Amino acid sequence: DARVTQTPRHKVTEMGQEVTMRCQPILGHNTVFWYRQTMMQGLELLAYFRNRAPLDDSGMPKDRFSAEMPDATLATLKIQPSEPRDSAVYFCASGNRGEETQYFGPGTRLLVL
Amino acid sequence: QKEVEQDPGPLSVPEGAIVSLNCTYSNSAFQYFMWYRQYSRKGPELLMYTYSSGNKEDGRFTAQVDKSSKYISLFIRDSQPSDSATYLCAMKKWGGKLQFGAGTQVVVTP
Repeated sequence: DARVTQTPRHKVTEMGQEVTMRCQPILGHNTVFWYRQTMMQGLELLAYFRNRAPLDDSGMPKDRFSAEMPDATLATLKIQPSEPRDSAVYFCASGNRGEETQYFGPGTRLLVL
Repeated sequence: QKEVEQDPGPLSVPEGAIVSLNCTYSNSAFQYFMWYRQYSRKGPELLMYTYSSGNKEDGRFTAQVDKSSKYISLFIRDSQPSDSATYLCAMKKWGGKLQFGAGTQVVVTP
C-alpha cells in the first residue's frame, strides 16, 4: 500500500529554533507539494517540485522558509528561525504530472512556543 | 473573496440519512474537481475525482459538477458514524494549483 510518509509527526520547539520536516513521496511520483493547514486559513500551498526542481514557492515566506528535494525520495521543509505564528500542521503530498490528483501524507503537527 | 467557497458546518445528521455537501466557485477555468475526506488529526484522502461536468458514483458516494452554475456537490447515502469527518472540496484548472475549500465538518450520530 503505497503512501506518503512524513517525519516527525509532532514537533514542539521554542521560538527562534530551526525546524526541519521531511517527506518521502510515493515511489514513482514526480511532483511533490508542501501545504500548511490552520483553522483560520485552511489548506495553503507553500511550494511544489516537479522532477526535484522547484516550480513554485510563492506561498512560502522566503525570509524564513526553505524547501528542497535532495533526491527523488526525500523532500524537506525548513523554518529558520521559527515563530509562534508558524504553528500549524504541515502536509506533504505527491502526484504525477498529467494526473490531477494528489496524495497526502499524515502531516507534521508543529507547535512553536 | 476566495475562489472556492464551502460552508464549514458542522453538519449533523442521523445514521442512515443522506449527507449533502456543496461548494461554489468563481473561476470558470476550473476543470478538475475533487473531494477529499479528512479524519481528525489525519491527512486528507482523495474520495472522488471528476473531470468537467457531470455525475460520478462510487458506492455510497455521488459527486456532481454543474459548471454552468459553478457549483459542485457530494452526496453520501446511508451515512455511517464512520463517515464523520471533514470533507474538503478542491478544484483546479489545467496547469494550475489545486484550490481547496475551507472544509465542512460532518457528524453522523448513531
